[in-house]
Amino acid sequence: AQSVTQLDSQVPVFEEAPVELRCNYSSSVSVYLFWYVQYPNQGLQLLLKYLSGSTLVKGINGFEAEFNKSQTSFHLRKPSVHISDTAEYFCAVSGGYNKLIFGAGTRLAVHP
Amino acid sequence: DTAVSQTPKYLVTQMGNDKSIKCEQNLGHDTMYWYKQDSKKFLKIMFSYNNKELIINETVPNRFSPKSPDKAHLNLHINSLELGDSAVYFCASELANTGELFFGEGSRLTVL
Repeated sequence: AQSVTQLDSQVPVFEEAPVELRCNYSSSVSVYLFWYVQYPNQGLQLLLKYLSGSTLVKGINGFEAEFNKSQTSFHLRKPSVHISDTAEYFCAVSGGYNKLIFGAGTRLAVHP
Repeated sequence: DTAVSQTPKYLVTQMGNDKSIKCEQNLGHDTMYWYKQDSKKFLKIMFSYNNKELIINETVPNRFSPKSPDKAHLNLHINSLELGDSAVYFCASELANTGELFFGEGSRLTVL
């Protein structure tokens, strides 16, 4: 079985500062890893995904994440955040057929 | 042209009533899901259908009955609503077993 732990429930940050949202996973099989973003009153949309290959994955809106197999982590980073990045961010893992498991989410609050 | 659309967006109803939420996707995907998001933003998978066939049923009470008349539609019917059913219900479709999900905007159910 797979599981996902997002280590921070909330991350406050000032505009233009860098940010890292942490995600650890556990799985007994090879996994696919994802970050999704949910803006207020909207559904989730894909930010980026790791399926195989390069461990550094670039996504939309300037976000990137690094897959670290030895540490079973997939942390999300952005070098300079904007007010518009304020949202809920979900890490997710898929290791089996038709089953994407989400972490509890991290609320990113960007302040001016 | 919305890829995954859910109706209604809001439902407010009394305990004990029955309600349905409809979902349609125009992406041509074979797999569709229902997720429940609680007040703490936690996302829990409920059901998964692949080409009209039930694949995942995550120990959801049998008051919840999904129906997929064709692979573009996945509806959710809930009988005898309880207070704990209050949540946002998200429909999603999946791009070809990649784990990449496309979400609807959600249906906020409030049970009084």
